[in-house]
Amino acid sequence: GAGVSQSPSNKVTEKGKDVELRCDPISGHTALYWYRQRLGQGLEFLIYFQGNSAPDKSGLPSDRFSAERTGESVSTLTIQRTQQEDSAVYLCASSLSGTGNSPLHFGNGTRLTVT
Amino acid sequence: KNEVEQSPQNLTAQEGEFITINCSYSVGISALHWLQQHPGGGIVSLFMLSSGKKKHGRLIATINIQEKHSSLHITASHPRDSAVYICAATNYGGSQGNLIFGKGTKLSVKP
Repeated sequence: GAGVSQSPSNKVTEKGKDVELRCDPISGHTALYWYRQRLGQGLEFLIYFQGNSAPDKSGLPSDRFSAERTGESVSTLTIQRTQQEDSAVYLCASSLSGTGNSPLHFGNGTRLTVT
Repeated sequence: KNEVEQSPQNLTAQEGEFITINCSYSVGISALHWLQQHPGGGIVSLFMLSSGKKKHGRLIATINIQEKHSSLHITASHPRDSAVYICAATNYGGSQGNLIFGKGTKLSVKP
């Protein structure tokens, strides 16, 4: 069916507000990943979900960032009290499993601008 | 020094040329990924490899584990190949998607 879907595609928010970014992975994909790409910089890993659990949260930059996944499907990345340095494209990817040779499938990202 | 280094940073080629993008890494890895990011921002996974060589159409990826080096080759390049190509490594023992990314190689193929 459809690929990885992210919403919104663009989000402008004021500094200090909370934002929620959504990712709908490909149906049946047990592994889900969040990445961040700041303007002019490389991609950074944020968090990995296997099912509804997050065994690897090592990339979350601060405690203002959190994520959850429900129903082994949709995931939400929440950024509290946004700061200007949070401005970036947030990308989600999913794969059939978290190990082995399952290729990653990326969404088109959410462009977050904090003013 | 970044754990994943790519070269060149920028590459301009004429249509039809053979292109090579290089990636060196300094960590132990379980897999090496090549990704393509189009100007609109969408990312496509081209290859994931842990040894040897893989081919898909005009694209070939190779990896030398001993030398910690991988290359992406494009034969008979075409303007539609213009994109940023990103090398990324999965740390050995880490989750597959916990990737260390290179800074990317921006390829422009002129007609």
